[in-house]
Amino acid sequence: AQTVTQSQPEMSVQEAETVTLSCTYDTSESDYYLFWYKQPPSRQMILVIRQEAYKQQNATENRFSVNFQKAAKSFSLKISDSQLGDAAMYFCAYRSRNNNNDMRFGAGTRLTVKP
Amino acid sequence: DVKVTQSSRYLVKRTGEKVFLECVQDMDHENMFWYRQDPGLGLRLIYFSYDVKMKEKGDIPEGYSVSREKKERFSLILESASTNQTSMYLCASSRQGHRDTQYFGPGTRLTVL
Repeated sequence: AQTVTQSQPEMSVQEAETVTLSCTYDTSESDYYLFWYKQPPSRQMILVIRQEAYKQQNATENRFSVNFQKAAKSFSLKISDSQLGDAAMYFCAYRSRNNNNDMRFGAGTRLTVKP
Repeated sequence: DVKVTQSSRYLVKRTGEKVFLECVQDMDHENMFWYRQDPGLGLRLIYFSYDVKMKEKGDIPEGYSVSREKKERFSLILESASTNQTSMYLCASSRQGHRDTQYFGPGTRLTVL
């Protein structure tokens, strides 16, 4: 079974600086999707960014970008110019292309943004 | 925008009570999911449904059942609540396509006393 590991339970960053959240995963499949979700305090979980494994180019969404290293099975999230509103729990997730009902989540990283 | 709503944000029940958590989505999604979120464990899948009246067990189905009588509504049932079911419960929905992501509800924080 696929597993997703987030080794940083908590991270903090100064406002306007850059922070990188780590994620590794274990799979024997070659085609899959990777996601970063954000869960603000007492608010709904929302999708931040998605990467398709067959695409070599790293996904970007405004201040959010990923470093996808397929061979190393690593999928880190970089947040540039951090804002107070970025404070949240961040979950990394994996989903097989062949089974879109089976999404695997990491334990999460709680990001604090200091003013 | 996709909207997934859950019947309660906070719920307090007593041990042994039957508990219903309801989830409604308004985007005609085929798939619906119930997750449990616990600190240090991330999200774990309890059950999912890919069509009306169809359901599949996830990783931790013990102590739970589900019902999907209408496409837009997916209910999670705790037949006899226990204290170890105190947790945050998240509902999600998605289309059938392999490219599609899941959209989450706001969650229900259930406390069983």
